[in-house]
Amino acid sequence: AAGVIQSPRHLIKEKRETATLKCYPIPRHDTVYWYQQGPGQDPQFLISFYEKMQSDKGSIPDRFSAQQFSDYHSELNMSSLELGDSALYFCASSPPRGLDGYTFGSGTRLTVV
Amino acid sequence: AQTVTQSQPEMSVQEAETVTLSCTYDTSESDYYLFWYKQPPSRQMILVIRQEAYKQQNATENRFSVNFQKAAKSFSLKISDSQLGDAAMYFCAYRRGGGADGLTFGKGTHLIIQP
Repeated sequence: AAGVIQSPRHLIKEKRETATLKCYPIPRHDTVYWYQQGPGQDPQFLISFYEKMQSDKGSIPDRFSAQQFSDYHSELNMSSLELGDSALYFCASSPPRGLDGYTFGSGTRLTVV
Repeated sequence: AQTVTQSQPEMSVQEAETVTLSCTYDTSESDYYLFWYKQPPSRQMILVIRQEAYKQQNATENRFSVNFQKAAKSFSLKISDSQLGDAAMYFCAYRRGGGADGLTFGKGTHLIIQP
C-alpha cells in the first residue's frame, strides 16, 4: 500500500540558510500535517492543511511557512535556520475528517550546523 | 488548551507478560479522539490503536487494548503477551473531533522488553 512520502530523508544546512521539505500524502488523503520532533522530545504539531487551505496552526515559528498544492503534496519552507531547528520533521496525512487516524511518513532529519 | 500526561517515562516487562501504560488528558471538549502511537528505534510513527470519545466500548487490536475512562480522563494501553518487537517509545495522543486539528502528544513512555 502507498505510504506518505517525505523528501529528502536527510538534510544538512548551515545556520541562516533556507530548507524546503516535501511531503506527498497517501492518494485520496486531502489533509496534511507537519510535526517537529526534537531529540528525546515528543512530536510538536506545526501546521495542517485541508483541501489546500491552512486548517490548524500549532507552534510553527514565523520563519517557517508551508503550503499545500493542487496535487495535495505539501512543502515546509524554513528560513534563517538556527541550531535549534535540528530535528526530525514528520509529515502525516489523513482521509477526509481524519477518522482513521493519521499515517505518518518516515520523516526528514534536518541537521543545522 | 488540552494536555496529555504520561507519568511513566520508562517501563520494563518480561517477554510474554502483560504491561499497562498510563495516559491521562485534560480537555473541555466532548468530541475528541485518543490514540496510541509506537515509535521504534527507526523513529517511524506507527498507529497502534485509536478510540473515539463517544464510544463506550474499549478499542482492541490483537494484543493491544485500551481502558478508556472518560469521566476520569484516562486512556491506558494494555499490551498482552509482550514480544521483543514491542520495544519502543509509546506516545499517547489527543485530537479534537472534526476539522484538521493537530495531535497533542504526551511525553512518551519507553517500553523495554526483557527476554
